Amino acid sequence: DIVMTQSPDSLAVSLGERATINCKSSQSVLYSSNNKNYLAWYQQKPRQPPKLLIYWASTRESGVPDRFSGSGSGTDFTLTISSLQAEDVAVYYCQQYYSTPFTFGQGTRLEIK
Amino acid sequence: QVQLQESGPGLVKPSETLSLTCTVSGGSISSYYWSWIRQPPGKGLEWIGYIYYSGSTNYNPSLKSRVTISVDTSKNQFSLKVSSVTAADTAVYYCARREELDVWGKGTTVTVSS
Repeated sequence: DIVMTQSPDSLAVSLGERATINCKSSQSVLYSSNNKNYLAWYQQKPRQPPKLLIYWASTRESGVPDRFSGSGSGTDFTLTISSLQAEDVAVYYCQQYYSTPFTFGQGTRLEIK
Repeated sequence: QVQLQESGPGLVKPSETLSLTCTVSGGSISSYYWSWIRQPPGKGLEWIGYIYYSGSTNYNPSLKSRVTISVDTSKNQFSLKVSSVTAADTAVYYCARREELDVWGKGTTVTVSS
């Protein structure tokens, strides 16, 4: 299984400031034949299902604000929120869909400082 | 737009079989992979497995011996069965579409208790 490790486990950021969450996979999730990273990011608010934010490591899902961006390749990835809003308080998960079983990071809890 | 809705018993006795159904509305199930994911209380996400509309399946080895996922294209539904449940199977169970899980159901809470 591919192990996904997120850092930090929790993060407190001031409103309007940048938030950065990291995700590392135990093996590459870059498929060489199409040069795509099989990595997604999700946001989960309390008592709600996760919501897809980013797929292919850097493609924003339709309707997701452009303050959310994803970067990275191979085994190291980053989710960045450029200017934190109050509604961004949530737990964020990365997930690899390169190989089964699909696996998630342990989650990063984002709070307002 | 496509919506997913999980349904099934909220309480299952230990050693019995958990059975859930996901109904797809606003679109056809006859495309894509369809997954089940679960989340124990206060914990992270675990992918259980998926089914392709044609019926081919792939399960998480951690659960493989106890899990069956099936599809009924005529009803636009797919289903999950987990046998021999224990308290460790208590979780919110979600269904979702595609490998990148772009559409999720709201989830259904299943408690395993006598």
